[in-house]
Amino acid sequence: SQQGEEDPQALSIQEGENATMNCSYKTSINNLQWYRQNSGRGLVHLILIRSNEREKHSGRLRVTLDTSKKSSSLLITASRAADTASYFCATFDNDMRFGAGTRLTVKP
Amino acid sequence: EADIYQTPRYLVIGTGKKITLECSQTMGHDKMYWYQQDPGMELHLIHYSYGVNSTEKGDLSSESTVSRIRTEHFPLTLESARPSHTSQYLCASSEFPDWGEQFFGPGTRLTVL
Repeated sequence: SQQGEEDPQALSIQEGENATMNCSYKTSINNLQWYRQNSGRGLVHLILIRSNEREKHSGRLRVTLDTSKKSSSLLITASRAADTASYFCATFDNDMRFGAGTRLTVKP
Repeated sequence: EADIYQTPRYLVIGTGKKITLECSQTMGHDKMYWYQQDPGMELHLIHYSYGVNSTEKGDLSSESTVSRIRTEHFPLTLESARPSHTSQYLCASSEFPDWGEQFFGPGTRLTVL
Protein backbone atom coordinates (compact mmCIF):
# COMPACT_ATOMS: atom_id res chain seq x y z
CA SER A 1 0.00 0.00 0.00
CA GLN A 2 1.10 3.56 -0.62
CA GLN A 3 3.05 5.29 2.11
CA GLY A 4 4.49 8.38 0.47
CA GLU A 5 2.49 10.92 -1.46
CA GLU A 6 4.25 13.23 -3.87
CA ASP A 7 3.18 16.76 -4.60
CA PRO A 8 2.62 18.13 -7.16
CA GLN A 9 1.41 15.28 -9.35
CA ALA A 10 2.84 17.06 -12.39
CA LEU A 11 5.30 19.90 -12.85
CA SER A 12 6.34 21.69 -16.03
CA ILE A 13 9.29 24.10 -16.06
CA GLN A 14 11.77 25.67 -18.46
CA GLU A 15 15.33 24.44 -18.81
CA GLY A 16 17.58 26.17 -16.30
CA GLU A 17 14.87 26.61 -13.68
CA ASN A 18 14.82 24.74 -10.38
CA ALA A 19 12.30 21.99 -9.73
CA THR A 20 10.98 21.19 -6.27
CA MET A 21 8.97 18.09 -5.45
CA ASN A 22 7.53 17.20 -2.08
CA CYS A 23 6.76 13.92 -0.38
CA SER A 24 4.61 13.33 2.69
CA TYR A 25 4.35 10.06 4.55
CA LYS A 26 2.31 8.65 7.39
CA THR A 27 4.36 6.46 9.73
CA SER A 28 7.82 6.60 11.31
CA ILE A 29 10.57 5.62 8.91
CA ASN A 30 14.09 4.22 8.85
CA ASN A 31 15.00 6.20 5.76
CA LEU A 32 13.51 7.92 2.74
CA GLN A 33 14.71 7.43 -0.80
CA TRP A 34 14.10 9.22 -4.08
CA TYR A 35 13.96 7.40 -7.39
CA ARG A 36 13.65 8.52 -10.98
CA GLN A 37 11.74 6.71 -13.75
CA ASN A 38 12.01 7.52 -17.42
CA SER A 39 8.89 6.74 -19.42
CA GLY A 40 8.27 3.01 -19.67
CA ARG A 41 11.47 2.07 -17.86
CA GLY A 42 12.53 0.81 -14.44
CA LEU A 43 13.33 3.06 -11.52
CA VAL A 44 16.81 4.42 -10.82
CA HIS A 45 17.89 5.23 -7.28
CA LEU A 46 18.88 8.88 -6.79
CA ILE A 47 19.52 9.47 -3.13
CA LEU A 48 18.85 8.04 0.34
CA ILE A 49 18.43 10.16 3.46
CA ARG A 50 18.35 8.53 6.87
CA SER A 51 15.82 9.48 9.52
CA ASN A 52 18.51 11.21 11.62
CA GLU A 53 19.67 13.39 8.69
CA ARG A 54 18.07 16.69 7.72
CA GLU A 55 19.67 17.46 4.38
CA LYS A 56 21.69 15.67 1.75
CA HIS A 57 23.26 16.71 -1.56
CA SER A 58 24.24 14.80 -4.66
CA GLY A 59 25.32 16.81 -7.67
CA ARG A 60 22.36 19.01 -8.68
CA LEU A 61 20.07 17.22 -6.21
CA ARG A 62 19.25 18.44 -2.75
CA VAL A 63 17.01 16.45 -0.44
CA THR A 64 15.62 17.59 2.89
CA LEU A 65 13.82 15.57 5.51
CA ASP A 66 11.59 16.85 8.30
CA THR A 67 10.56 13.91 10.45
CA SER A 68 8.41 16.11 12.70
CA LYS A 69 6.25 17.01 9.69
CA LYS A 70 6.72 13.61 8.05
CA SER A 71 7.79 15.26 4.83
CA SER A 72 10.70 15.45 2.41
CA SER A 73 11.54 17.59 -0.58
CA LEU A 74 13.68 16.99 -3.64
CA LEU A 75 15.20 20.01 -5.34
CA ILE A 76 16.76 19.71 -8.79
CA THR A 77 18.78 22.81 -9.58
CA ALA A 78 19.48 24.16 -13.07
CA SER A 79 17.17 21.61 -14.67
CA ARG A 80 17.87 20.13 -18.09
CA ALA A 81 15.55 18.60 -20.69
CA ALA A 82 17.11 15.22 -19.80
CA ASP A 83 15.68 15.57 -16.28
CA THR A 84 12.21 14.98 -17.74
CA ALA A 85 10.95 11.89 -15.88
CA SER A 86 8.76 10.79 -13.01
CA TYR A 87 10.22 11.10 -9.52
CA PHE A 88 9.13 8.83 -6.68
CA CYS A 89 9.77 8.93 -2.99
CA ALA A 90 10.00 5.65 -1.13
CA THR A 91 9.95 5.02 2.59
CA PHE A 92 10.97 1.95 4.52
CA ASP A 93 8.99 0.89 7.60
CA ASN A 94 9.24 -2.94 7.41
CA ASP A 95 9.06 -2.83 3.67
CA MET A 96 9.60 -0.31 0.91
CA ARG A 97 6.59 1.78 -0.05
CA PHE A 98 6.51 3.99 -3.13
CA GLY A 99 4.33 7.00 -3.79
CA ALA A 100 2.53 7.74 -7.07
CA GLY A 101 5.28 10.09 -8.26
CA THR A 102 5.66 13.60 -9.64
CA ARG A 103 5.83 13.82 -13.43
CA LEU A 104 8.41 16.48 -14.27
CA THR A 105 8.63 17.99 -17.74
CA VAL A 106 11.57 20.25 -18.51
CA LYS A 107 11.06 22.23 -21.69
CA PRO A 108 14.15 23.13 -23.74
CA GLU B 1 28.85 -5.76 -15.53
CA ALA B 2 26.46 -6.12 -12.59
CA ASP B 3 22.91 -5.61 -13.71
CA ILE B 4 19.31 -6.77 -13.52
CA TYR B 5 17.53 -8.07 -16.60
CA GLN B 6 13.91 -8.68 -17.51
CA THR B 7 12.53 -10.54 -20.49
CA PRO B 8 10.46 -10.09 -22.48
CA ARG B 9 10.29 -6.29 -22.53
CA TYR B 10 6.87 -6.36 -24.20
CA LEU B 11 4.32 -9.16 -24.36
CA VAL B 12 0.89 -9.27 -25.96
CA ILE B 13 -1.07 -12.45 -25.35
CA GLY B 14 -4.59 -13.78 -25.39
CA THR B 15 -6.78 -14.50 -22.38
CA GLY B 16 -6.19 -17.85 -20.71
CA LYS B 17 -2.54 -18.24 -21.71
CA LYS B 18 0.12 -19.21 -19.20
CA ILE B 19 3.06 -16.82 -19.13
CA THR B 20 6.33 -16.51 -17.28
CA LEU B 21 8.12 -13.19 -16.87
CA GLU B 22 11.84 -13.64 -16.38
CA CYS B 23 14.07 -11.66 -14.03
CA SER B 24 17.78 -12.21 -13.47
CA GLN B 25 20.40 -10.23 -11.57
CA THR B 26 24.16 -10.57 -11.57
CA MET B 27 24.82 -8.64 -8.37
CA GLY B 28 24.48 -11.55 -5.96
CA HIS B 29 21.67 -9.82 -4.08
CA ASP B 30 19.65 -11.92 -1.68
CA LYS B 31 16.44 -9.93 -1.71
CA MET B 32 14.36 -9.66 -4.88
CA TYR B 33 10.97 -8.09 -5.58
CA TRP B 34 8.19 -7.94 -8.14
CA TYR B 35 6.14 -4.75 -8.46
CA GLN B 36 3.09 -4.03 -10.58
CA GLN B 37 2.68 -0.52 -11.95
CA ASP B 38 -0.12 0.91 -14.08
CA PRO B 39 0.85 3.90 -16.28
CA GLY B 40 1.39 7.04 -14.23
CA MET B 41 0.57 5.26 -11.00
CA GLU B 42 2.36 4.07 -7.89
CA LEU B 43 4.22 0.79 -7.59
CA HIS B 44 2.50 -2.08 -5.82
CA LEU B 45 4.58 -4.85 -4.28
CA ILE B 46 3.19 -8.24 -5.34
CA HIS B 47 5.97 -10.68 -4.36
CA TYR B 48 9.37 -10.69 -2.70
CA SER B 49 12.04 -13.14 -1.70
CA TYR B 50 14.73 -13.09 1.00
CA GLY B 51 16.84 -15.67 -0.78
CA VAL B 52 16.82 -19.16 -2.28
CA ASN B 53 13.62 -21.09 -1.49
CA SER B 54 12.05 -18.01 0.13
CA THR B 55 8.96 -16.39 -1.40
CA GLU B 56 6.46 -14.02 0.21
CA LYS B 57 3.34 -12.24 -0.99
CA GLY B 58 3.31 -8.46 -1.04
CA ASP B 59 0.59 -5.97 -0.29
CA LEU B 60 -1.26 -6.26 -3.56
CA SER B 61 -3.22 -9.44 -4.00
CA SER B 62 -2.01 -11.12 -7.13
CA GLU B 63 -2.94 -14.28 -8.98
CA SER B 64 0.67 -14.72 -10.01
CA THR B 65 3.21 -17.05 -8.40
CA VAL B 66 6.98 -16.82 -8.06
CA SER B 67 9.87 -19.17 -7.41
CA ARG B 68 13.45 -18.70 -6.21
CA ILE B 69 15.52 -21.77 -6.98
CA ARG B 70 18.70 -19.81 -7.71
CA THR B 71 19.92 -16.58 -6.14
CA GLU B 72 20.11 -14.80 -9.48
CA HIS B 73 16.75 -15.85 -10.89
CA PHE B 74 13.23 -14.81 -9.76
CA PRO B 75 10.58 -15.65 -12.39
CA LEU B 76 6.93 -14.65 -12.11
CA THR B 77 4.22 -16.90 -13.57
CA LEU B 78 0.60 -16.25 -14.47
CA GLU B 79 -1.21 -19.57 -14.95
CA SER B 80 -4.14 -18.05 -16.84
CA ALA B 81 -3.76 -14.47 -18.01
CA ARG B 82 -6.74 -12.12 -17.99
CA PRO B 83 -7.21 -8.56 -19.31
CA SER B 84 -7.08 -7.31 -15.69
CA HIS B 85 -3.43 -8.45 -15.62
CA THR B 86 -2.53 -5.86 -18.23
CA SER B 87 0.14 -3.70 -16.58
CA GLN B 88 3.87 -3.08 -16.29
CA TYR B 89 5.79 -5.53 -14.11
CA LEU B 90 9.04 -4.36 -12.53
CA CYS B 91 11.63 -6.63 -10.95
CA ALA B 92 14.10 -5.28 -8.39
CA SER B 93 16.83 -6.53 -6.08
CA SER B 94 18.64 -5.24 -3.04
CA GLU B 95 21.38 -6.22 -0.63
CA PHE B 96 20.74 -6.76 3.05
CA PRO B 97 19.90 -4.74 5.07
CA ASP B 98 16.65 -4.54 3.19
CA TRP B 99 16.14 -0.84 3.77
CA GLY B 100 18.81 0.02 1.25
CA GLU B 101 18.81 0.98 -2.38
CA GLN B 102 16.77 -1.15 -4.76
CA PHE B 103 18.05 -1.86 -8.27
CA PHE B 104 15.34 -2.15 -10.91
CA GLY B 105 15.13 -3.97 -14.19
CA PRO B 106 13.71 -2.23 -17.29
CA GLY B 107 10.27 -3.78 -16.80
CA THR B 108 7.92 -5.99 -18.83
CA ARG B 109 4.86 -4.35 -20.31
CA LEU B 110 2.14 -6.99 -20.48
CA THR B 111 -1.03 -6.66 -22.52
CA VAL B 112 -3.68 -9.36 -22.26
CA LEU B 113 -6.32 -9.22 -24.97
